[in-house]
Amino acid sequence: EVQLVESGGGLVQPGRSLKLSCAASGFTFSNYYMAWVRQAPKKGLEWVATISTSGSRTYYPDSVKGRFTISRDNAKSSLYLQMNSLKSEDTATYYCARTTYGSYLYWGQGVMVTVSS
Amino acid sequence: DTVLTQSPALAVSPGERVSISCRASEGVNSYMHWYQQKPGQQPKLLIYKASNLASGVPARFSGSGSGTDFTLTIDPVEADDTATYFCQQSWNDPYTFGAGTKLELK
Repeated sequence: EVQLVESGGGLVQPGRSLKLSCAASGFTFSNYYMAWVRQAPKKGLEWVATISTSGSRTYYPDSVKGRFTISRDNAKSSLYLQMNSLKSEDTATYYCARTTYGSYLYWGQGVMVTVSS
Repeated sequence: DTVLTQSPALAVSPGERVSISCRASEGVNSYMHWYQQKPGQQPKLLIYKASNLASGVPARFSGSGSGTDFTLTIDPVEADDTATYFCQQSWNDPYTFGAGTKLELK
C-alpha cells in the first residue's frame, strides 16, 4: 500500500523558515517524480514544487521560486520542502504527492503551515 | 498562467447524470486531470489525461475533451459523490488547478 506521511508543519513568524518532510513507503520511491501541492484554508489547490527521480531537476511556480527548495533522499525514501522567507500567504495545508503525467495519484494526509506573528 | 474556469456549484438528484465542465484559457492538449475532494480529506485523482480512469475509481466517472474544453461526467450520481471537484492541467508551466465545482445532492 502506498503511503505518504508529511511532518514538520506548525506556526512560524513571517520571514522565518520551516522544513517539511514526507516519508514514502509501499513503492519504489526512486522511480517517481514527486511534488508538493498546497491548499490555503477554504481555498483551491496550488502546485508548489516538483522534483525529478534523481533530484537533478526541480520546478517551481513564480510564487515560491527563490524561497522554497524541494529535495529528496532516495536512500531514505523521503521528500523535503525547505521554505524560507515565509509570508502570510504561504499559510496552507501542504501535501506531498506522487506524480505521473503531471497528475497526482497518491497524496499524503497533509500538514498545516501557519505563517503569523 | 493557464486559467481553468469551472462553475462554482451544481445540485443534482441521486440517480441523475451530471456533467462538470472545465475551460482552459489556452490549449492543454489532453493533459487535464480531475480530482474529488471531500471536507477534511486530501484530493483523490479520478481521471488523468482527460479520459483515463484512475485505479480504483468507479466506472460511473468518465472524462472527455481536448484542447481547451473538458468535461467530467458522473452517471449515475450517488449520495456519496457530494464533494468538490477540481480540474488541473499539466501541459503548460506552471501547472494550475481550477477553483473547484461543489456538487450537492438534492
